[in-house]
Amino acid sequence: GAVVSQHPSRVICKSGTSVKIECRSLDFQATTMFWYRQFPKKSLMLMATSNEGSKATYEQGVEKDKFLINHASLTLSTLTVTSAHPEDSSFYICSARPIRLAGTDTQYFGPGTRLTVL
Amino acid sequence: EDQVTQSPEALRLQEGESSSLNCSYTVSGLRGLFWYRQDPGKGPEFLFTLYSAGEEKEKERLKATLTKKESFLHITAPKPEDSATYLCAVLQTRRRETALIFGKGTTLSVSS
Repeated sequence: GAVVSQHPSRVICKSGTSVKIECRSLDFQATTMFWYRQFPKKSLMLMATSNEGSKATYEQGVEKDKFLINHASLTLSTLTVTSAHPEDSSFYICSARPIRLAGTDTQYFGPGTRLTVL
Repeated sequence: EDQVTQSPEALRLQEGESSSLNCSYTVSGLRGLFWYRQDPGKGPEFLFTLYSAGEEKEKERLKATLTKKESFLHITAPKPEDSATYLCAVLQTRRRETALIFGKGTTLSVSS
């Protein structure tokens, strides 16, 4: 149980194009999903918190117009990197928190998406 | 400011050589401490959640413990397949929402 998928797993795009990454919770519903970014040999940095049916909350320093987040349903959140540049190349990971049961706050992570911008 | 510090940064063990990984934290009002395992190029895999000092949880060769200032991940008789980066995170309340604050991780290498 508690499986999260991401699609695509790898994407290579040209500078200036937009890329959409999907995050799905496969066997549970999540009102809240999270998007992280991870640089090589570094830990996960939270980019934004995505809530179903409302606007995402972005962390300080993260451009909301560049990283568009949509949480359309209880099982799907998308991250769109707009007008991508080489510095946006990174490993993007989403997580989902099951609708709270018994006070648990555990997040389950997807397998990640490797974005390379040429 | 809430912080999570993991040590050592890297650890090399022989198969069967038990050891412990440390996660020290400073957070106002701990709401949960989490351990994850991450393999290269993959997302973190959930291991344990600890909520209060004195709590312990076990899974196969791993045992996580929690005090008021730190958590330990004990690895008993590790095998090469235990090689991975182990991440510790604490739950922080931010603007009416909760978020995980991660440490930098301990990269464990177990050789046969």
